[in-house]
Amino acid sequence: EPEVTQTPSHQVTQMGQEVILRCVPISNHLYFYWYRQILGQKVEFLVSFYNNEISEKSEIFDDQFSVERPDGSNFTLKIRSTKLEDSAMYFCASRVAGGNTGELFFGEGSRLTVL
Amino acid sequence: SQQGEEDPQALSIQEGENATMNCSYKTSINNLQWYRQNSGRGLVHLILIRSNEREKHSGRLRVTLDTSKKSSSLLITASRAADTASYFCATADQAGTALIFGKGTTLSVSS
Repeated sequence: EPEVTQTPSHQVTQMGQEVILRCVPISNHLYFYWYRQILGQKVEFLVSFYNNEISEKSEIFDDQFSVERPDGSNFTLKIRSTKLEDSAMYFCASRVAGGNTGELFFGEGSRLTVL
Repeated sequence: SQQGEEDPQALSIQEGENATMNCSYKTSINNLQWYRQNSGRGLVHLILIRSNEREKHSGRLRVTLDTSKKSSSLLITASRAADTASYFCATADQAGTALIFGKGTTLSVSS
């Protein structure tokens, strides 16, 4: 069964370092998402991406964050200068095209620990 | 914000009992979805109910939607230990692409 894959599963970094989290969405999906979940808390929307551009972003998604689809399969989230409060689980998700937001398929997440 | 807010925050029941979780939201929606998350894992879609639907069933799951009260409920019947997880409601508005999640209900089913 097709699935969303994310790498790395866990990354530890020093404060101020750049981090890139990678995702391979399901191949025929056209909408891509990043969410984050601070331990034990709610799942927070960061950004949605369609047709090679950001569709929507939240207040969390400030200038320190960027997304890119560098090739036909990968979808990346870059954090330019990590802060302690960026420590969280980051989830990538994708869905098929369509005007209304339907079912999202999530990856297993990348745990980011900022020291 | 359109985000859903679930209650209760935590629910503990015995196997075989029914579990009911509620979700409230603030703005007009296109649809409302429920997801499940096992500890440390990704979210898995359970069921989607559109704004013009009032009730939907899928196996042991029953979802209701009351748009006048801006609320939804998820009922899991005849619960099993394997149902132990966090359950989140999520709302999609008319215009946007974002799916906004609530804080979730942690369900614990003991055998």
